[in-house]
Amino acid sequence: GAGVSQSPRYKVAKRGQDVALRCDPISGHVSLFWYQQALGQGPEFLTYFQNEAQLDKSGLPSDRFFAERPEGSVSTLKIQRTQQEDSAVYLCASAIRDTPGDTQYFGPGTRLTVL
Amino acid sequence: GENVEQHPSTLSVQEGDSAVIKCTYSDSASNYFPWYKQELGKRPQLIIDIRSNVGEKKDQRIAVTLNKTAKHFSLHITETQPEDSAVYFCAVMEYGNKLVFGAGTILRVKS
Repeated sequence: GAGVSQSPRYKVAKRGQDVALRCDPISGHVSLFWYQQALGQGPEFLTYFQNEAQLDKSGLPSDRFFAERPEGSVSTLKIQRTQQEDSAVYLCASAIRDTPGDTQYFGPGTRLTVL
Repeated sequence: GENVEQHPSTLSVQEGDSAVIKCTYSDSASNYFPWYKQELGKRPQLIIDIRSNVGEKKDQRIAVTLNKTAKHFSLHITETQPEDSAVYFCAVMEYGNKLVFGAGTILRVKS
């Protein structure tokens, strides 16, 4: 079956521009996560949705970062006024339920480069 | 919050040898420990996981061991093959279902 998909796969933005990154989770998956992966590092948690409810946004680095999942399926991560330090791979993951220990399936990521 | 340390950062082995990667964590309440494999430019893929009610789990050439008292867990790959070359990440599930990852281990299998 189809896995988690993300678009665009690559995004180049000039400093100060706004960007929107899309995640299509596995159909029917309740939980959706966003992670940020800097070059040579492990993914770092940004935010978590259970259906349309954003239950945890403690990892968002600043108020320039905003995520939504209005209908409980597709999610968008928006970054306003991008800065060079925002350059990273943004990974989305989904899990079938909201039970601790459910496998998180990752998408291929969006590589964001801010010039 | 949870702190996860992973060692070594790079590991080179000869094809057919075993590879061991170790992670330590800080929160004794954690009870789910997955391992992900990430090839260059690809998505992280779960290769094995373990829950705190077991001490060891094996799947063909891959095994994970967990020592809850010492708060560490390890990935063991036997009979390594060139296609095992990748970056391996350990992770610990923190309260609220989020994963805290180690910094990764670059495994190179030389043929």
